[in-house]
Amino acid sequence: KAGVTQTPRYLIKTRGQQVTLSCSPISGHRSVSWYQQTPGQGLQFLFEYFSETQRNKGNFPGRFSGRQFSNSRSEMNVSTLELGDSALYLCASTRDRNTEAFFGQGTRLTVV
Amino acid sequence: AQSVTQLDSQVPVFEEAPVELRCNYSSSVSVYLFWYVQYPNQGLQLLLKYLSGSTLVESINGFEAEFNKSQTSFHLRKPSVHISDTAEYFCAVSRENTDKLIFGTGTRLQVFP
Repeated sequence: KAGVTQTPRYLIKTRGQQVTLSCSPISGHRSVSWYQQTPGQGLQFLFEYFSETQRNKGNFPGRFSGRQFSNSRSEMNVSTLELGDSALYLCASTRDRNTEAFFGQGTRLTVV
Repeated sequence: AQSVTQLDSQVPVFEEAPVELRCNYSSSVSVYLFWYVQYPNQGLQLLLKYLSGSTLVESINGFEAEFNKSQTSFHLRKPSVHISDTAEYFCAVSRENTDKLIFGTGTRLQVFP
């Protein structure tokens, strides 16, 4: 059974640009969550999606957005990139509510 | 609001010694508790979880954690560590009706030969 797949693994962008990250959950998992990991702030929750609906949102500016498709794949978008957006972005999928979350390898975003 | 506290940012230990990584949480509602491990340049791997039932949970690689409701703790223990256990360990909590995880700041376990 394939795990959670995140693409791309590494990304370098310039300030002001926008970026789209992709996440394919484990087959049969309908819930996808996104997290940002930085040395200063640690792991912070971004969004949670279930059946194409955003179920929960973290405390991030509106530049951060996401969506989920009918096949449960999810994307997150960051517009007008800032240097502080440099981070490891992790996606996690769960089969049902309150079961364990399985994480992808992450996308390392560097904003220069 | 929920929060998770991992009191030790770094724990150095010699190989084959026992180790305990501490985790305390605060929540006004019932919670689910998890320990994740992260190796360099990798995502998070689930180590063990407490959802319900027995308060002592074990992983396949020798780690165990005990849910203590009165002390609001979920400390991670291993009786004998290996070099390969060197990694960052994160305690996390979630509550009913959401998959949102609140993470602690992490504990870096460094095992020396």
